[in-house]
Amino acid sequence: EPEVTQTPSHQVTQMGQEVILRCVPISNHLYFYWYRQILGQKVEFLVSFYNNEISEKSEIFDDQFSVERPDGSNFTLKIRSTKLEDSAMYFCASYRGETQYFGPGTRLLVL
Amino acid sequence: SQQGEEDPQALSIQEGENATMNCSYKTSINNLQWYRQNSGRGLVHLILIRSNEREKHSGRLRVTLDTSKKSSSLLITASRAADTASYFCATGLTGANSKLTFGKGITLSVRP
Repeated sequence: EPEVTQTPSHQVTQMGQEVILRCVPISNHLYFYWYRQILGQKVEFLVSFYNNEISEKSEIFDDQFSVERPDGSNFTLKIRSTKLEDSAMYFCASYRGETQYFGPGTRLLVL
Repeated sequence: SQQGEEDPQALSIQEGENATMNCSYKTSINNLQWYRQNSGRGLVHLILIRSNEREKHSGRLRVTLDTSKKSSSLLITASRAADTASYFCATGLTGANSKLTFGKGITLSVRP
């Protein structure tokens, strides 16, 4: 069964560094999302993406964040200058038939 | 804003028992979904119930939805140790690009 995949599974970075989290959504899905989950907290919506543009974004998704679909398969989340509070698990999801299918997540640790 | 809130926050049961988890939300929804998350892992979709449905079954899972009370319950029958995980309800509005709003989750422990 097709799955959403994410790389890397873990990333450690220094505060102020740029990180790019990668996702390969399920092929033939057209809607993509990023969520994050700070340790012990709720899963929070960051951004949705359709037809090569952002559909909706949350307050969390400020100018430090950007998303891109550079080719037909990858969907990336970039954090330009990481802060300590960006440490979280980041989930990518793609949508079909009323259901969002989530990837396994990237655990980001900002030191 | 719509918000899923589950209760109890933690549940510990013996293998073979049934587990019932509840979720409440605040605003109108198009559907409500339950997800499972094993420790430190990704979210696995379990079941979706639409706002015009009252009950749905999938294997050992039974989900109900009461839109008048803005609440849902997830029942896992004949629980197994492998059901140990966190369970989240998530609500969505109409439309493919609708974000999901998650509750804080319920930690279920099934003792062998």
